[in-house]
Amino acid sequence: QSALTQPASVSGSPGQSITISCTGTSSDVGGSKYVSWYQQHPGKAPKLMIFDVSNRPSGVSNRFSGSKSGNTATLTISGLQTEDEADYYCSSYTARNTWVFGGGTKLTVL
Amino acid sequence: QAQLVESGGGVVQPGESLRLSCAASGFTFNTYGFHWVRQAPGGGLEWVALIRYDGSKKYYADFVKGRFNISRDNSKNMLFLQINSLRPEDTAVFFCARAPSQYDSSGCPDYWGQGTLVTVSS
Repeated sequence: QSALTQPASVSGSPGQSITISCTGTSSDVGGSKYVSWYQQHPGKAPKLMIFDVSNRPSGVSNRFSGSKSGNTATLTISGLQTEDEADYYCSSYTARNTWVFGGGTKLTVL
Repeated sequence: QAQLVESGGGVVQPGESLRLSCAASGFTFNTYGFHWVRQAPGGGLEWVALIRYDGSKKYYADFVKGRFNISRDNSKNMLFLQINSLRPEDTAVFFCARAPSQYDSSGCPDYWGQGTLVTVSS
């Protein structure tokens, strides 16, 4: 099972918006309603930011949003804040009853 | 509030075995499936295994190749991962994480523990 493809890094200035893509195949992202996004600060556990493609857990800022088109899911963060600087990972349930993560994207807030 | 606490990590030599544990609290343990996910130093997240809420089915990543066994004790709210024939490339922080829905393990994990570090070195 190959990892989902994410850009290694993205950056933006406070107040700006950024997007992080997550590309898989029709056997995972493209064929699954279970795509999630996680935020991870150094030395910390991953935190769920988006589940089921576009849903936000209670307590997560509405600056975070998710979408999907074909085999690519996208995380959008609007109104960037310094505390958003972290690693972000996508994840998808697959047709083989397994789960797969993206390689991770380092977000730098300039 | 759901809480997951891993333990059992440490420094081991190649070829040895280790049993990781995850203690759960704050929710009805026996109605949720659980994952193990690992993260090598400086690396990304890698899914390892899932066990259904009742232990009836287990799923593993291809790289496991029979060396890992996920299990649970619903009477003690505990999750386990037995790792045999450890290799240097198994060095990682191992996280336990809960499946998001009761009785259905299809979704991606929601709550995560803080992880336990396994170091394989001679």
